[in-house]
Amino acid sequence: DVKVTQSSRYLVKRTGEKVFLECVQDMDHENMFWYRQDPGLGLRLIYFSYDVKMKEKGDIPEGYSVSREKKERFSLILESASTNQTSMYLCASRQASYNEQFFGPGTRLTVL
Amino acid sequence: KNQVEQSPQSLIILEGKNCTLQCNYTVSPFSNLRWYKQDTGRGPVSLTIMTFSENTKSNGRYTATLDADTKQSSLHITASQLSDSASYICVVSRDYKYIFGTGTRLKVLA
Repeated sequence: DVKVTQSSRYLVKRTGEKVFLECVQDMDHENMFWYRQDPGLGLRLIYFSYDVKMKEKGDIPEGYSVSREKKERFSLILESASTNQTSMYLCASRQASYNEQFFGPGTRLTVL
Repeated sequence: KNQVEQSPQSLIILEGKNCTLQCNYTVSPFSNLRWYKQDTGRGPVSLTIMTFSENTKSNGRYTATLDADTKQSSLHITASQLSDSASYICVVSRDYKYIFGTGTRLKVLA
């Protein structure tokens, strides 16, 4: 069974703080994704990584950065958290050659 | 405008009843179309996947259909159970990109 884990289920941070969200997958998948999910908007892609140290901006990268130093780990960084970044954050991974995505349980981030 | 539109936004049915959820898309061409189930506070889990050349796919009590001519897909749930209460998301993929619908929130009542 593919397992994608995220470091926290719930997180509360203050405006201006630097926030790290971590995602780990155990299936040696090439590609990893970070999405945010907001009511009425569906999932929106923040960043995508197709290999170690490689990244591509998604549809809404502003205010976010990512790091992929190891194949199994993909981190999302909020450099200076703002209240409009309050959201559910979902990580996903997939094999490059087979495009089913497997999702983690999500991190619900609240920025006060 | 979202390229993947789902209807209804929400639905309430009684346990044991059937229901059908709709997905209309404008993404073209595409690799495949998926339906995901997302329980509250959880990540989405894949239910079915269809390429553009397939027109039906089943997974237990879940049956998805695809009409590539009209660009419509539906997810039919048979003999609903309380555990079917969740959001159902239609996703169209093209290359590495996934275009997500906003989902239908289904509530099954005893």
